[in-house]
Amino acid sequence: GQQVMQIPQYQHVQEGEDFTTYCNSSTTLSNIQWYKQRPGGHPVFLIQLVKSGEVKKQKRLTFQFGEAKKNSSLHITATQTTDVGTYFCAGPGGGYNKLIFGAGTRLAVHP
Amino acid sequence: NAGVTQTPKFQVLKTGQSMTLQCAQDMNHNSMYWYRQDPGMGLRLIYYSASEGTTDKGEVPNGYNVSRLNKREFSLRLESAAPSQTSVYFCASSYRNVWETQYFGPGTRLLVL
Repeated sequence: GQQVMQIPQYQHVQEGEDFTTYCNSSTTLSNIQWYKQRPGGHPVFLIQLVKSGEVKKQKRLTFQFGEAKKNSSLHITATQTTDVGTYFCAGPGGGYNKLIFGAGTRLAVHP
Repeated sequence: NAGVTQTPKFQVLKTGQSMTLQCAQDMNHNSMYWYRQDPGMGLRLIYYSASEGTTDKGEVPNGYNVSRLNKREFSLRLESAAPSQTSVYFCASSYRNVWETQYFGPGTRLLVL
């Protein structure tokens, strides 16, 4: 079945350093969504990308959708302690109303 | 606007016991979902409901049943709990389908001994 893979599983950075997480799908995606989950919290929607090659920015966060619509990335510039959490990518798959989540990348930021 | 609410927040069960996890949303969403989250495995879909009166299996439905009681409420039932069902359970909703933002509840942490 369809798989969505994320790397790395875990990354720790010094505050101020940049961070990137990558998401790869075994099949072409109609769209990809990114969620953030703070420790002990629930996933919160960040953004959705739909078009091939799309790039969207939210302040220090930059999201990209690959040309083949099979991969995506999230880049955080100059991380802050508020960026701590797990970042998930997710894409529709396995049916009309099913979202397949990657395993997530856990980000730790050391002050 | 409470968004998506879940009860209980925490639960400890013994193997073989049953329980129902409750979920409600006040956003007039048509679609609702139940996920489980285990360490290192992301979120896995248990069941979903595209509209009132319909339910469908997700990736990991075995050992669970669901009821879409009305448009607002979607419950998850464990008939005979097993230690493998120890997990954090999240309910989510979206307006129509997975092309749209999913809004998650705060989660239920379940421990099965």
